[in-house]
Amino acid sequence: GQQVMQIPQYQHVQEGEDFTTYCNSSTTLSNIQWYKQRPGGHPVFLIQLVKSGEVKKQKRLTFQFGEAKKNSSLHITATQTTDVGTYFCAGDAGNMLTFGGGTRLMVKP
Amino acid sequence: GAGVSQSPSNKVTEKGKDVELRCDPISGHTALYWYRQRLGQGLEFLIYFQGNSAPDKSGLPSDRFSAERTGESVSTLTIQRTQQEDSAVYLCASSLGSPTGSYNEQFFGPGTRLTVL
Repeated sequence: GQQVMQIPQYQHVQEGEDFTTYCNSSTTLSNIQWYKQRPGGHPVFLIQLVKSGEVKKQKRLTFQFGEAKKNSSLHITATQTTDVGTYFCAGDAGNMLTFGGGTRLMVKP
Repeated sequence: GAGVSQSPSNKVTEKGKDVELRCDPISGHTALYWYRQRLGQGLEFLIYFQGNSAPDKSGLPSDRFSAERTGESVSTLTIQRTQQEDSAVYLCASSLGSPTGSYNEQFFGPGTRLTVL
């Protein structure tokens, strides 16, 4: 079945440093979504990418969808303590939305 | 409008007892999903409903787990003869459309934290 892998599992950064999480699918995706889960909270939808090579920005967050539509990345510029949480990607391969294992981001002030 | 709600928010039970968890999706959302999240772990898919039917039950861990959905709204997840390994947060989500394609963004509820002593 479809597998969605995320790396790294954990990332500690100093406030102000950049952060990137990577998502890789075993199958070609029709679209990919990103969610953020704050500590003690529930996942919240951030964005959806549909087109090959698509890049979208939300303030300091940049989302990319690979040309082959099998991988994606989320980059945060100049992290802040409010960025703390777990970031999940979720890939749609046409049968089900499959979540990656998540990357937990910790930011040291 | 109201988001996805779940009840109870916390449930402590003794090993061997049955528990029932409830999810109220966003009105009009046709798809409903159940996930399990152990402490510090990712989302483990359990089951999803399209309308009142469950096309994919592949994630249910054992026959002690069952779920139903009525009236294309409320869903209940039942765990029989609970075990300590069932302790986790159970998250429910709903989406306007089917799990794939357009409108498949999932809206999550706050979860039910289940502790089995």
